[in-house]
Amino acid sequence: AQSVTQLDSQVPVFEEAPVELRCNYSSSVSVYLFWYVQYPNQGLQLLLKYLSGSTLVKGINGFEAEFNKSQTSFHLRKPSVHISDTAEYFCAEPCAGNKLTFGGGTRVLVKP
Amino acid sequence: DADVTQTPRNRITKTGKRIMLECSQTKGHDRMYWYRQDPGLGLRLIYYSFDVKDINKGEISDGYSVSRQAQAKFSLSLESAIPNQTALYFCATSDSSGTAYNEQFFGPGTRLTVL
Repeated sequence: AQSVTQLDSQVPVFEEAPVELRCNYSSSVSVYLFWYVQYPNQGLQLLLKYLSGSTLVKGINGFEAEFNKSQTSFHLRKPSVHISDTAEYFCAEPCAGNKLTFGGGTRVLVKP
Repeated sequence: DADVTQTPRNRITKTGKRIMLECSQTKGHDRMYWYRQDPGLGLRLIYYSFDVKDINKGEISDGYSVSRQAQAKFSLSLESAIPNQTALYFCATSDSSGTAYNEQFFGPGTRLTVL
């Protein structure tokens, strides 16, 4: 069974500093990967997705992620965070039937 | 108005009670999903439905049942609630057309506490 691992459960970061959230996947076949964001007291919304093509994927709100097959990683980055980026971030991999396998989540707390 | 709605938003119940969580969507999607979220575990799939006549168990279906009353409605029931079912529950929808892996759209969640 596929699994998705997010290596950091919490990441504190100062406003305007860069942030990287790590995600590793286990699938050895064709890989598709998503990052979702959950703002406080809200449902999840799609941040970006990798389906094929360029390994650098740009998403909403200035986030980007890089697919690295040799390292089985799909790390999320933002060069300069804002207070409004405080949220929980989930890496996810779809499988047959568009079911999603989620990582454990990374809480990002942006400090002023 | 929200595309995916869940009721109730918060619920406190007692062990052994039957409870139903409801989900409605106006996106016209054929696929619907129920997940539960626990700290450190991410979201785990409970049940999913590809259309009104199709219901499938997910990763953690024990203790839960579902009903797809219409394309737009998908409810989750806890037949006899227990404290370890205390969690945040999310409904999601997706379209089956186009690419194989379409974005899922999530409701705002239902926070359930079982005492």
